[in-house]
Amino acid sequence: QQPVQSPQAVILREGEDAVINCSSSKALYSVHWYRQKHGEAPVFLMILLKGGEQKGHEKISASFNEKKQQSSLYLTASQLSYSGTYFCGTEEKGGGNKLTFGTGTQLKVEL
Amino acid sequence: DTGVSQDPRHKITKRGQNVTFRCDPISEHNRLYWYRQTLGQGPEFLTYFQNEAQLEKSRLLSDRFSAERPKGSFSTLEIQRTEQGDSAMYLCASSLLDRLNYGYTFGSGTRLTVV
Repeated sequence: QQPVQSPQAVILREGEDAVINCSSSKALYSVHWYRQKHGEAPVFLMILLKGGEQKGHEKISASFNEKKQQSSLYLTASQLSYSGTYFCGTEEKGGGNKLTFGTGTQLKVEL
Repeated sequence: DTGVSQDPRHKITKRGQNVTFRCDPISEHNRLYWYRQTLGQGPEFLTYFQNEAQLEKSRLLSDRFSAERPKGSFSTLEIQRTEQGDSAMYLCASSLLDRLNYGYTFGSGTRLTVV
């Protein structure tokens, strides 16, 4: 069963913030986040390995709540280039090193 | 290194024909994955290799699908007796075994259309 992401879609004005959530029904070893632009391959953003770990760059960061099997991606001061579909990919404990990708969140940033 | 390469980019085939796709991963990556993606959905796991060993194949995958990775370098994915439901984007990705800081690097994909 694939992870569920929320919201399904969001529209932002440039400079606004957004949070994308990913929830799994399985015990997780790690969570990845990817961004895919239309007609292109998914691009790796970050990986979270430990419960509570929060990683990221200046304006894109993420957290991982291992107990709740949830992860959140934080986009601050959004830019036009942030537009795309965001997927979380979860690695289940004991499930081998493969990712199960979430349902996706379409993000559009407008002027 | 130019990243993960997939060939062909597009393939149109008639139902019942066999097709083969190729993936060349990043040379130092020892894990290679195949995923399938349909419009509006996240990538769906098909199979993965560590070096030349195929470690797992999706239970959802029919026997018409087979993959190889001879000598732990490039990989091929073959679909026999294609069906219209096989139409999708087939994505290849590679990664290092050490997952601490490295995610998947995806290729541009092969778009298969079965008519």
